Amino acid sequence: GAGVSQSPSNKVTEKGKDVELRCDPISGHTALYWYRQSLGQGLEFLIYFQGNSAPDKSGLPSDRFSAERTGGSVSTLTIQRTQQEDSAVYLCASSLKSGAFFGQGTRLTVV
Amino acid sequence: AQSVTQLGSHVSVSEGALVLLRCNYSSSVPPYLFWYVQYPNQGLQLLLKYTTGATLVKGINGFEAEFKKSETSFHLTKPSAHMSDAAEYFCAVSDSGANSKLTFGKGITLSVRP
Repeated sequence: GAGVSQSPSNKVTEKGKDVELRCDPISGHTALYWYRQSLGQGLEFLIYFQGNSAPDKSGLPSDRFSAERTGGSVSTLTIQRTQQEDSAVYLCASSLKSGAFFGQGTRLTVV
Repeated sequence: AQSVTQLGSHVSVSEGALVLLRCNYSSSVPPYLFWYVQYPNQGLQLLLKYTTGATLVKGINGFEAEFKKSETSFHLTKPSAHMSDAAEYFCAVSDSGANSKLTFGKGITLSVRP
Protein backbone atom coordinates (compact mmCIF):
# COMPACT_ATOMS: atom_id res chain seq x y z
CA GLY A 1 0.00 0.00 0.00
CA ALA A 2 0.93 3.66 -0.20
CA GLY A 3 0.65 4.47 3.49
CA VAL A 4 2.77 3.93 6.58
CA SER A 5 2.53 0.33 7.72
CA GLN A 6 3.10 -0.81 11.29
CA SER A 7 3.30 -4.31 12.65
CA PRO A 8 2.05 -5.95 14.69
CA SER A 9 -1.18 -4.05 15.18
CA ASN A 10 -1.53 -5.48 18.66
CA LYS A 11 1.04 -6.98 20.98
CA VAL A 12 0.55 -8.47 24.42
CA THR A 13 3.72 -9.28 26.29
CA GLU A 14 4.72 -10.32 29.75
CA LYS A 15 6.53 -7.90 32.00
CA GLY A 16 10.27 -8.26 31.59
CA LYS A 17 10.16 -9.49 28.00
CA ASP A 18 11.66 -7.61 25.04
CA VAL A 19 9.48 -6.46 22.16
CA GLU A 20 10.16 -5.17 18.65
CA LEU A 21 7.78 -2.92 16.79
CA ARG A 22 8.17 -2.43 13.07
CA CYS A 23 7.44 0.55 10.83
CA ASP A 24 7.46 0.61 7.01
CA PRO A 25 7.38 4.26 5.95
CA ILE A 26 6.03 5.67 2.72
CA SER A 27 8.53 5.00 -0.03
CA GLY A 28 10.86 7.95 -0.59
CA HIS A 29 10.09 9.69 2.70
CA THR A 30 13.31 10.84 4.31
CA ALA A 31 11.98 11.55 7.79
CA LEU A 32 10.63 8.93 10.18
CA TYR A 33 9.18 9.51 13.63
CA TRP A 34 8.08 7.38 16.57
CA TYR A 35 5.53 8.66 19.05
CA ARG A 36 3.80 7.07 22.01
CA GLN A 37 0.17 7.70 22.83
CA SER A 38 -1.12 6.88 26.28
CA LEU A 39 -4.58 7.55 27.67
CA GLY A 40 -4.65 11.08 28.95
CA GLN A 41 -1.04 11.74 27.95
CA GLY A 42 -1.40 12.93 24.40
CA LEU A 43 1.33 12.22 21.88
CA GLU A 44 4.79 11.80 23.34
CA PHE A 45 7.74 12.18 20.98
CA LEU A 46 10.22 9.31 21.15
CA ILE A 47 12.73 9.48 18.29
CA TYR A 48 13.19 11.13 14.90
CA PHE A 49 15.28 10.02 11.91
CA GLN A 50 16.10 12.40 9.06
CA GLY A 51 18.01 11.02 6.11
CA ASN A 52 21.55 10.08 7.02
CA SER A 53 21.75 12.45 9.98
CA ALA A 54 22.18 11.20 13.51
CA PRO A 55 18.74 10.49 14.98
CA ASP A 56 17.17 12.77 17.56
CA LYS A 57 16.75 10.43 20.52
CA SER A 58 15.82 13.10 22.99
CA GLY A 59 12.36 11.66 23.63
CA LEU A 60 13.32 8.11 24.55
CA PRO A 61 12.11 7.68 28.15
CA SER A 62 14.85 5.29 29.29
CA ASP A 63 17.78 3.25 28.03
CA ARG A 64 15.42 0.31 27.66
CA PHE A 65 14.14 1.99 24.52
CA SER A 66 16.09 2.01 21.27
CA ALA A 67 15.33 2.35 17.58
CA GLU A 68 17.11 1.88 14.33
CA ARG A 69 16.37 2.63 10.75
CA THR A 70 17.96 0.38 8.18
CA GLY A 71 18.79 1.55 4.68
CA GLY A 72 16.88 4.76 5.23
CA SER A 73 13.62 2.87 5.13
CA VAL A 74 12.23 0.36 7.63
CA SER A 75 12.51 1.20 11.31
CA THR A 76 12.34 -0.99 14.39
CA LEU A 77 11.57 0.27 17.87
CA THR A 78 12.83 -2.09 20.56
CA ILE A 79 11.76 -2.05 24.17
CA GLN A 80 13.80 -4.21 26.50
CA ARG A 81 12.59 -5.60 29.82
CA THR A 82 9.11 -4.22 29.31
CA GLN A 83 7.27 -2.66 32.23
CA GLN A 84 3.56 -2.11 32.70
CA GLU A 85 3.98 1.62 32.21
CA ASP A 86 5.18 0.89 28.67
CA SER A 87 1.62 -0.09 27.73
CA ALA A 88 0.50 2.39 25.09
CA VAL A 89 -0.11 2.82 21.38
CA TYR A 90 3.14 3.33 19.50
CA LEU A 91 2.72 5.43 16.39
CA CYS A 92 5.11 5.73 13.50
CA ALA A 93 5.03 8.50 10.91
CA SER A 94 7.03 9.46 7.86
CA SER A 95 7.44 12.70 6.00
CA LEU A 96 9.02 14.21 2.92
CA LYS A 97 7.95 17.81 2.50
CA SER A 98 4.31 18.21 3.44
CA GLY A 99 3.77 17.11 6.99
CA ALA A 100 3.90 13.72 8.64
CA PHE A 101 1.74 10.77 7.65
CA PHE A 102 0.94 8.31 10.41
CA GLY A 103 0.47 4.59 10.54
CA GLN A 104 -2.35 2.90 12.43
CA GLY A 105 -0.12 2.20 15.40
CA THR A 106 0.85 -0.80 17.48
CA ARG A 107 -1.11 -1.26 20.69
CA LEU A 108 1.28 -2.69 23.26
CA THR A 109 -0.08 -4.24 26.42
CA VAL A 110 2.33 -5.38 29.11
CA VAL A 111 0.80 -7.83 31.56
CA ALA B 1 11.98 24.97 22.38
CA GLN B 2 8.56 24.72 20.84
CA SER B 3 5.27 23.92 22.51
CA VAL B 4 1.55 23.77 21.83
CA THR B 5 -1.32 24.54 24.15
CA GLN B 6 -4.80 23.23 23.53
CA LEU B 7 -7.01 24.48 26.32
CA GLY B 8 -9.63 22.10 27.60
CA SER B 9 -9.93 18.44 26.74
CA HIS B 10 -13.45 18.24 25.42
CA VAL B 11 -15.73 20.37 23.24
CA SER B 12 -19.36 19.57 22.53
CA VAL B 13 -21.40 21.22 19.78
CA SER B 14 -24.76 20.63 18.16
CA GLU B 15 -24.96 19.33 14.63
CA GLY B 16 -24.90 22.32 12.28
CA ALA B 17 -23.21 24.60 14.80
CA LEU B 18 -19.85 26.30 14.43
CA VAL B 19 -16.83 24.29 15.47
CA LEU B 20 -13.96 26.22 17.08
CA LEU B 21 -10.95 24.36 18.48
CA ARG B 22 -8.25 26.55 19.93
CA CYS B 23 -4.50 26.15 19.58
CA ASN B 24 -1.73 28.43 20.78
CA TYR B 25 1.91 27.77 20.10
CA SER B 26 5.32 28.83 21.24
CA SER B 27 8.25 28.83 18.86
CA SER B 28 11.53 30.71 18.66
CA VAL B 29 11.41 30.84 14.88
CA PRO B 30 8.62 31.13 12.32
CA PRO B 31 6.58 28.00 12.91
CA TYR B 32 5.08 25.37 10.71
CA LEU B 33 1.67 24.46 12.12
CA PHE B 34 -0.55 21.44 11.65
CA TRP B 35 -3.91 20.05 12.67
CA TYR B 36 -4.45 16.31 12.81
CA VAL B 37 -7.64 14.34 13.41
CA GLN B 38 -7.85 10.92 15.02
CA TYR B 39 -11.00 8.85 14.70
CA PRO B 40 -11.56 6.05 17.21
CA ASN B 41 -9.07 3.21 16.90
CA GLN B 42 -7.34 4.84 13.94
CA GLY B 43 -4.08 6.63 13.30
CA LEU B 44 -3.71 10.37 12.87
CA GLN B 45 -4.81 12.02 9.64
CA LEU B 46 -3.47 15.36 8.48
CA LEU B 47 -6.31 17.90 8.27
CA LEU B 48 -4.37 20.96 7.18
CA LYS B 49 -1.03 22.71 7.52
CA TYR B 50 0.45 26.19 7.52
CA THR B 51 3.96 26.60 6.21
CA THR B 52 4.38 30.00 4.59
CA GLY B 53 2.23 32.37 2.57
CA ALA B 54 -1.51 32.73 3.03
CA THR B 55 -2.44 32.74 6.69
CA LEU B 56 -5.90 31.23 6.14
CA VAL B 57 -5.47 27.59 5.37
CA LYS B 58 -8.19 25.30 4.09
CA GLY B 59 -8.12 21.60 4.76
CA ILE B 60 -10.16 18.50 4.24
CA ASN B 61 -13.74 17.96 5.38
CA GLY B 62 -14.54 21.68 5.35
CA PHE B 63 -12.10 22.64 8.09
CA GLU B 64 -9.91 25.71 7.99
CA ALA B 65 -7.46 27.43 10.31
CA GLU B 66 -5.95 30.88 10.47
CA PHE B 67 -2.38 31.60 11.50
CA LYS B 68 -2.22 34.73 13.65
CA LYS B 69 1.34 35.59 14.51
CA SER B 70 0.40 38.43 16.83
CA GLU B 71 -1.73 36.06 18.90
CA THR B 72 0.53 33.00 18.43
CA SER B 73 -2.61 31.11 17.51
CA PHE B 74 -3.76 28.61 14.93
CA HIS B 75 -7.40 27.93 15.76
CA LEU B 76 -9.36 25.35 13.79
CA THR B 77 -12.87 26.13 12.59
CA LYS B 78 -15.69 24.61 10.62
CA PRO B 79 -18.90 26.54 9.90
CA SER B 80 -21.28 23.62 10.37
CA ALA B 81 -20.54 20.50 12.38
CA HIS B 82 -21.49 17.05 11.15
CA MET B 83 -21.91 13.96 13.27
CA SER B 84 -18.95 12.46 11.42
CA ASP B 85 -16.67 15.19 12.79
CA ALA B 86 -16.71 13.57 16.22
CA ALA B 87 -13.08 12.68 16.87
CA GLU B 88 -9.95 13.82 18.68
CA TYR B 89 -8.09 16.78 17.22
CA PHE B 90 -4.42 17.53 17.71
CA CYS B 91 -2.54 20.71 16.97
CA ALA B 92 1.19 20.41 16.27
CA VAL B 93 4.12 22.73 15.66
CA SER B 94 7.46 22.33 13.95
CA ASP B 95 10.12 25.02 14.02
CA SER B 96 12.45 23.58 11.43
CA GLY B 97 10.27 22.98 8.43
CA ALA B 98 7.42 20.71 7.43
CA ASN B 99 9.75 17.72 7.47
CA SER B 100 11.07 18.00 11.00
CA LYS B 101 10.11 16.96 14.50
CA LEU B 102 6.53 17.70 15.47
CA THR B 103 5.49 18.75 18.95
CA PHE B 104 1.85 17.98 19.67
CA GLY B 105 -0.71 19.46 21.98
CA LYS B 106 -2.68 17.24 24.36
CA GLY B 107 -5.58 16.99 21.95
CA ILE B 108 -9.23 17.96 22.16
CA THR B 109 -12.15 15.56 21.86
CA LEU B 110 -15.00 16.93 19.77
CA SER B 111 -18.48 15.57 20.37
CA VAL B 112 -21.37 16.43 18.07
CA ARG B 113 -24.93 16.31 19.45
CA PRO B 114 -27.80 15.47 17.12
